[in-house]
Amino acid sequence: DAKTTQPNSMESNEEEPVHLPCNHSTISGTDYIHWYRQLPSQGPEYVIHGLTSNVNNRMASLAIAEDRKSSTLILHRATLRDAAVYYCILRDKTSGTYKYIFGTGTRLKVLA
Amino acid sequence: DTGVSQDPRHKITKRGQNVTFRCDPISEHNRLYWYRQTLGQGPEFLTYFQNEAQLEKSRLLSDRFSAERPKGSFSTLEIQRTEQGDSAMYLCASSLRDPSSYNEQFFGPGTRLTVL
Repeated sequence: DAKTTQPNSMESNEEEPVHLPCNHSTISGTDYIHWYRQLPSQGPEYVIHGLTSNVNNRMASLAIAEDRKSSTLILHRATLRDAAVYYCILRDKTSGTYKYIFGTGTRLKVLA
Repeated sequence: DTGVSQDPRHKITKRGQNVTFRCDPISEHNRLYWYRQTLGQGPEFLTYFQNEAQLEKSRLLSDRFSAERPKGSFSTLEIQRTEQGDSAMYLCASSLRDPSSYNEQFFGPGTRLTVL
């Protein structure tokens, strides 16, 4: 599985947008980009996923670079409840494995 | 609550003892995963079941570790002769096998194991 690189930590002010970057320069054409987040003392939870086009859902937006070598998770208005570790994960949609390979993620701190 | 549940939430044991953890997935989910997470790291994949069949095992799953899902519903993870290095959070996740849609993994709250 291709590797992802994320900043160790980021800070944001409450009610401001947050852009969480992820680099995946060795991504293959069949790799989906997934984002999960882990709130304190909880298991990870799904945020969003995409392949080539930008995606929006009720939690966030995912902007994927044209060459797919990087992506950005966008939280439009950060709240204190968004403080978590955010993981960017690649998984080959054509492989027979369904496991996720997590990195160390980005710890997001939201300031009141 | 129809989410993934894990029991116990916390376990403290002495080195050399055996421990067993249980995971109850979301009822209609036929895929079940075990991950291990140590402090400051992301979860690491251990093993995966589709129904009762164990289809993939990580090299992390040494011969002291065994996982079962006998009836394709709940799963157990047993660690024999625990070592201090086994101290971690053990996470269970489940997902639905539906080729027509995205099958996100739903994670439980985890079992935190401390080996003294």
